[in-house]
Formats: sequence, C-alpha cells, structure tokens
Amino acid sequence: GAGVSQSPSNKVTEKGKDVELRCDPISGHTALYWYRQRLGQGLEFLIYFQGNSAPDKSGLPSDRFSAERTGESVSTLTIQRTQQEDSAVYLCASSLRSSAHYEQYFGPGTRLTVT
Amino acid sequence: AQSVTQLDSHVSVSEGTPVLLRCNYSSSYSPSLFWYVQHPNKGLQLLLKYTSAATLVKGINGFEAEFKKSETSFHLTKPSAHMSDAAEYFCVVSDSGNQFYFGTGTSLTVIP
Repeated sequence: GAGVSQSPSNKVTEKGKDVELRCDPISGHTALYWYRQRLGQGLEFLIYFQGNSAPDKSGLPSDRFSAERTGESVSTLTIQRTQQEDSAVYLCASSLRSSAHYEQYFGPGTRLTVT
Repeated sequence: AQSVTQLDSHVSVSEGTPVLLRCNYSSSYSPSLFWYVQHPNKGLQLLLKYTSAATLVKGINGFEAEFKKSETSFHLTKPSAHMSDAAEYFCVVSDSGNQFYFGTGTSLTVIP
C-alpha cells in the first residue's frame, strides 16, 4: 500500500518568505509526527497529532513554526519569515496510534534551503 | 528528561566482521527503545524495538540489540557485516510513545 508522502521534495526559498510543507500519512493512521533533521544531526521532534486531540507543540522552536492537521488526514507545517537556520530536512511520520508499541513510518522528507 | 547518546559518530568494519553500534539512554521511567536505519537517499526504517518484553530484541537483516537497565544501554549488534549495511543508524528513546528522542546517529562504513 501507499506509504507516507511529503511534498515538495525540495524547496528553495529566500530568507523572510513563508513556506508550507505537506504530509500525507498512511490511511488509518491516527498519529502524525513532524521532525527536523539538520545536516549531520539526529532528528529533532517538532510536533505531533493524535486523532482529534490537541497537538503537542512542545518541540516547535519558535512561534514562526505552526502545523495543522484536519482530522486524521493531511498535515501542513508552515514556517513564517524563514531564516537560514531553518534550512534542514523536514520529516513526517505516521503511526496507527501515538504509542511506542506502534511503528512510525517515515516519509522521504522535504529538503528546505533558505538562501 | 529523556535523551540518547550514541557513543560513536562513525564506525568502520570489514565485510564479514561483527558490528557494534553503541547507545546509552537517559529516561525517568521504563523506556521504549528503538533502532532506525537510514540509507542514502532513502527514508528511515525501523530495525527493531524494545517495549518492556524480552531484553534481547531481534530485528530485521540479522540485527539485534540488548536492553541493559543497569547500564542504561541498548547497543546494536550484528555478527557479520554486509556491504548493504552501510548506512546511518539512529537510536531512539520514548517514555510515553508521544515523543521520540533521536540520537545524533552513527555512520556505518563497511569495507570490502
């Protein structure tokens, strides 16, 4: 079946512009996670959604970052007034439930470059 | 607070020799622990996970890991390295299953 998909695969933007990244989770997965992976570093948790519950935004690095998810479907991560330090690969993952017993399935990521 | 420390940023082994990738964790509660692999230009894939059952966990592609609470370790091993094992490996800890904390990764090189 279809896995997690993300778009765009690559995005180059000028400093100060807003960007929107999209994630399509696996159908039926109630949990969705966003991570950031800077060059040569591990994944940094940003935010997660579980069903219709309020999202856990504790990992968002600043108020320029926001994310939305409609029900148990598509999620968008928005970065306003981008800065060069926002350059990274942004990864999305989904799982059946937000529990360590359920595997997270990762998308291929969106590589964001801020010039 | 939860965190993981991957003790080696790079490991190089010869094909056919054992692999050892080290991971130590910090967790306030009984953690769940995972190893993920990331091949170049490919997505992250789960190798194995420990969620409070057997302490020796077997994963895909011949990898296994042992949870040692007294040492707060979860090292990844494989008896014989294959060229296709060359990749980036991440150790991950979760207390609640709501947040997952990744280590900085270990790059494995396999020498023919």
